[in-house]
Amino acid sequence: KAGVTQTPRYLIKTRGQQVTLSCSPISGHRSVSWYQQTPGQGLQFLFEYFSETQRNKGNFPGRFSGRQFSNSRSEMNVSTLELGDSALYLCASSPDLVGVPNNEQFFGPGTRLTVL
Amino acid sequence: AQKITQTQPGMFVQEKEAVTLDCTYDTSDPSYGLFWYKQPSSGEMIFLIYQGSYDQQNATEGRYSLNFQKARKSANLVISASQLGDSAMYFCAMREGQVNTGKLIFGQGTTLQVKP
Repeated sequence: KAGVTQTPRYLIKTRGQQVTLSCSPISGHRSVSWYQQTPGQGLQFLFEYFSETQRNKGNFPGRFSGRQFSNSRSEMNVSTLELGDSALYLCASSPDLVGVPNNEQFFGPGTRLTVL
Repeated sequence: AQKITQTQPGMFVQEKEAVTLDCTYDTSDPSYGLFWYKQPSSGEMIFLIYQGSYDQQNATEGRYSLNFQKARKSANLVISASQLGDSAMYFCAMREGQVNTGKLIFGQGTTLQVKP
């Protein structure tokens, strides 16, 4: 079974631009979560999508948005990029099985975004 | 308030010895799950072990075990017989609530270096 894939793996943008990152979950997984990882703030939850609906949201400004398609693939978008948005963006998928307490999240390799 | 605290920014251990990585958590929800992830320099997050708040026994997965002390709100990871490949960043994470959710709250991480 293929793992979680994220594209692109590396990205360089300049301030003010916008960017779209893509995540393809493991086949059959319905939940996709996004995290931002920076040296200063660590790993922070951005949002989670389940069945094309945002189920949870972290404390990030409205410049950060996402969506999920009917095939569970997800995209996140960051508009008006700031220097502080430079980070590793990790996507995780989960089978989200009812009655299973330890619905493990499987992480992708991440997209490293650099904002100049 | 910090919900997950990992007080050891860095740890060293001799190859073949055991090491304990500390994690304390804070939640008022009686139902929660605790996870440990490993992040090698490549960036991908690798799931190691899970402990549910209602689990009666400490979780074990191969060389990994979790020392779960509910009253003290601690969930320390024990790695037995350390190997050079164990050198990585280790994160403790918590999921709150009974309802399935992809939102994990992460600690700041502990960098483990295994010495030959």
